[in-house]
Amino acid sequence: ETGVTQTPRHLVMGMTNKKSLKCEQHLGHNAMYWYKQSAKKPLELMFVYSLEERVENNSVPSRFSPECPNSSHLFLHLHTLQPEDSALYLCASSQGLAGGIGINEQFFGPGTRLTVL
Amino acid sequence: DQQVKQNSPSLSVQEGRISILNCDYTNSMFDYFLWYKKYPAEGPTFLISISSIKDKNEDGRFTVFLNKSAKHLSLHIVPSQPGDSAVYFCAASAQNQFYFGTGTSLTVIP
Repeated sequence: ETGVTQTPRHLVMGMTNKKSLKCEQHLGHNAMYWYKQSAKKPLELMFVYSLEERVENNSVPSRFSPECPNSSHLFLHLHTLQPEDSALYLCASSQGLAGGIGINEQFFGPGTRLTVL
Repeated sequence: DQQVKQNSPSLSVQEGRISILNCDYTNSMFDYFLWYKKYPAEGPTFLISISSIKDKNEDGRFTVFLNKSAKHLSLHIVPSQPGDSAVYFCAASAQNQFYFGTGTSLTVIP
């Protein structure tokens, strides 16, 4: 138990569906992240939020829409996804952002296994 | 183009011996390096880190070595234990960006 929870753990959706992934952290952190892990590929950073403001958006297609209503919650809204978007989506949180010694350790949730049909 | 590479997808080591996991990177701007450990059906768990101003950091059985001139990072686990069997990810960070390797699956044989 890392203090970061994700729901749902598994999601199967059609290409025309709209769904949302939820992440919640109970660690008092002020930065949250979404990552995508596809088979045999490294984790890819998608979005970074610090103090509820988006600070990074790594060329992610607009069919992925993040939302951070407060420092404890992070959502990833999904619409009109493609089969190649099937992957493990991981949420993480940290106290502070990269660039500071000792504050880069991220705590990950268990992930949501997404399958797009 | 991958900025962080783990060229060995798997490694098997006898219990009690040393495990050495390797990682190479291409971006000289990285200022912080981390190792994560991942068990099946769980998210990665932070293991150990090192700043670019150091060349070694030790925490119990785990030691990370950084060779900046070679852009090479390694994780040493000694002695290895069966509970260390997991996938190990190397990561590097700079300016709000994190880059991960593809992971090395370590199996410690009892």
